[in-house]
Amino acid sequence: GAGVSQSPSNKVTEKGKDVELRCDPISGHTALYWYRQSLGQGLEFLIYFQGNSAPDKSGLPSDRFSAERTGGSVSTLTIQRTQQEDSAVYLCASSLAWTGSTGELFFGEGSRLTVL
Amino acid sequence: AQSVTQLDSHVSVSEGTPVLLRCNYSSSYSPSLFWYVQHPNKGLQLLLKYTSAATLVKGINGFEAEFKKSETSFHLTKPSAHMSDAAEYFCVVTRMDSSYKLIFGSGTRLLVRP
Repeated sequence: GAGVSQSPSNKVTEKGKDVELRCDPISGHTALYWYRQSLGQGLEFLIYFQGNSAPDKSGLPSDRFSAERTGGSVSTLTIQRTQQEDSAVYLCASSLAWTGSTGELFFGEGSRLTVL
Repeated sequence: AQSVTQLDSHVSVSEGTPVLLRCNYSSSYSPSLFWYVQHPNKGLQLLLKYTSAATLVKGINGFEAEFKKSETSFHLTKPSAHMSDAAEYFCVVTRMDSSYKLIFGSGTRLLVRP
């Protein structure tokens, strides 16, 4: 597609439910990233994919968080047993390759998650 | 360890006046530095980047930033603000040990008054 597409744009869920957030990167971009943007925490790195593998999962906040990427394209971020502190905007970004020092990531508009 | 500090959480300017958004960095190595902009309900967009070439970097929409190693600063400037510049701006540094992992500042919200 023309840009990074994320869905849903907004998700309201009850505490304890599981949620899935989807990211469709720019066609041909091999690197994919998930970040979380929350009040008081700023933008936090969650996970990075190169192709279908995730060399760095160090930013995932807990074992309730997982992510996968299939076919070198679409990625899904899953949060199990959601907690109120999971409320945030989840941003996906992609780039042609791991960016090294170039730093140019193309971001989607985010999925706003609200846990009641 | 790398980090960035954005000195102002909010900046308010009048349309047509200069913009200055301040950023200081901390890095054990020569850093790569960036400014990203986020308009309301939009994704982040790269404004400009410094990667050890020219210290004065020009970006989109008339913005520029100057890398000053002696001051460990990378302030963002624009000579004349436009209403459409109202947005949140993030100063970003990459980590040398994992340079795909961008480290974001806390952001500066720019308000442009008519």
